[in-house]
Amino acid sequence: EVQLVESGGGLVKPGGSLRLSCAASGFTFSNYSMNWVRQAPGKGLEWVSFISYSSSYIYYADSVKGRFTISRDNAKKSLYLQMNSLRAEDTAVYYCARDTPPFNIAVLGTDYWGQGTLVTVSS
Amino acid sequence: SYELTQPPSVSVSPGQTARITCSGDALPKKYAYWYQQKSGQAPVVVIHEDSKRPSGIPERFSGSSSGTMATLTISGAQVEDEADYYCYSTDSSGNHGVFGGGTKLTVL
Repeated sequence: EVQLVESGGGLVKPGGSLRLSCAASGFTFSNYSMNWVRQAPGKGLEWVSFISYSSSYIYYADSVKGRFTISRDNAKKSLYLQMNSLRAEDTAVYYCARDTPPFNIAVLGTDYWGQGTLVTVSS
Repeated sequence: SYELTQPPSVSVSPGQTARITCSGDALPKKYAYWYQQKSGQAPVVVIHEDSKRPSGIPERFSGSSSGTMATLTISGAQVEDEADYYCYSTDSSGNHGVFGGGTKLTVL
């Protein structure tokens, strides 16, 4: 069974940093590209970032480019999102989501999602 | 930046057909995906690659795409189908994912 479990969310002050993690199981993690998607309270979904299966291709939404860094460790079957210079508008539930099909290097579409981790940016 | 446009809300009676549209300039060349999100839950894909239904998704869910519009159809909508539905695709470069604004489906 495919499982994605996010962690690392919490309360942080504006300008602060936070690192999110996503632990994957139930599939060959190194074969799949991954995404981070977020959802602000009461709002819609927003795509945040993509990393290809081998980390060769990385893309960001304009709203986070230069502040967030996506990375992965295939040996640990884990996905990460380093978030710096956080703003109030970054407050959201952050989901990791598996891109599909395997071995793609462009953003295509997601199939499995985690349950999300809440990030709150407030003083 | 690239946008996908959905109606904010759709309302049908139980047993009726619900159609939710999603328009975007790159849809003729890019697949559309559809996600169902019930209150307090993570999104679940109900249609991928325009019209493919994942295992476990009821047959009443179907998808189509023509030109710049993708459509999610729920034939014989049930009360349990009440949820927010989001279309998703990518811009023409394939470097950015984009979600539509979401459609709240009411079945009553």
